[in-house]
Amino acid sequence: IAGITQAPTSQILAAGRRMTLRCTQDMRHNAMYWYRQDLGLGLRLIHYSNTAGTTGKGEVPDGYSVSRANTDDFPLTLASAVPSQTSVYFCASSHGQDYSEQFFGPGTRLTVL
Amino acid sequence: GQNIDQPTEMTATEGAIVQINCTYQTSGFNGLFWYQQHAGEAPTFLSYNVLDGLEEKGRFSSFLSRSKGYSYLLLKELQMKDSASYLCAVIGSNYQLIWGAGTKLIIKP
Repeated sequence: IAGITQAPTSQILAAGRRMTLRCTQDMRHNAMYWYRQDLGLGLRLIHYSNTAGTTGKGEVPDGYSVSRANTDDFPLTLASAVPSQTSVYFCASSHGQDYSEQFFGPGTRLTVL
Repeated sequence: GQNIDQPTEMTATEGAIVQINCTYQTSGFNGLFWYQQHAGEAPTFLSYNVLDGLEEKGRFSSFLSRSKGYSYLLLKELQMKDSASYLCAVIGSNYQLIWGAGTKLIIKP
């Protein structure tokens, strides 16, 4: 692995189903983030983690949960997907939680029907 | 509220110069980023400004005026590969990034 990876690349999901988006980084970055990107809107922060074992809510956390059991992995779970969660999801990481450049994964395109 | 404004779309000619503006109103300011995002790809870092003035990096330069809540990204000697969206993001008072919707730059031959 080089950098930050996400899986799956894309997914079509029935409403009401549970889904986990995976994110793994090998840069030993402390901070990790989940964003959603919708047409005409800026990236919106869903959840973040400043270090392993801690998580925090971003701008649009409802309907999503995260965990940070170790430094490398930061999965995002949709407990019961709804059509409004159709979006492109980006995972990102940074060395620190403040002024550091964020590195982005390739994204997951999720469609909820 | 917190807001970042950028033009939705701009068009420029290959070889020319283009300036993409970003204005912001945020509760606190701890720096401003510019990212480039090609269609269907992830954003990638271009520049970071925290002090007033111009930061130059090759064909790309970024300017910041904190008193005016204003930044611009200047792209010189435009190439077709510069066709992308350019995202402005501000580090607010809680150290979370606030993102603009991005400016789609179209380069014509």
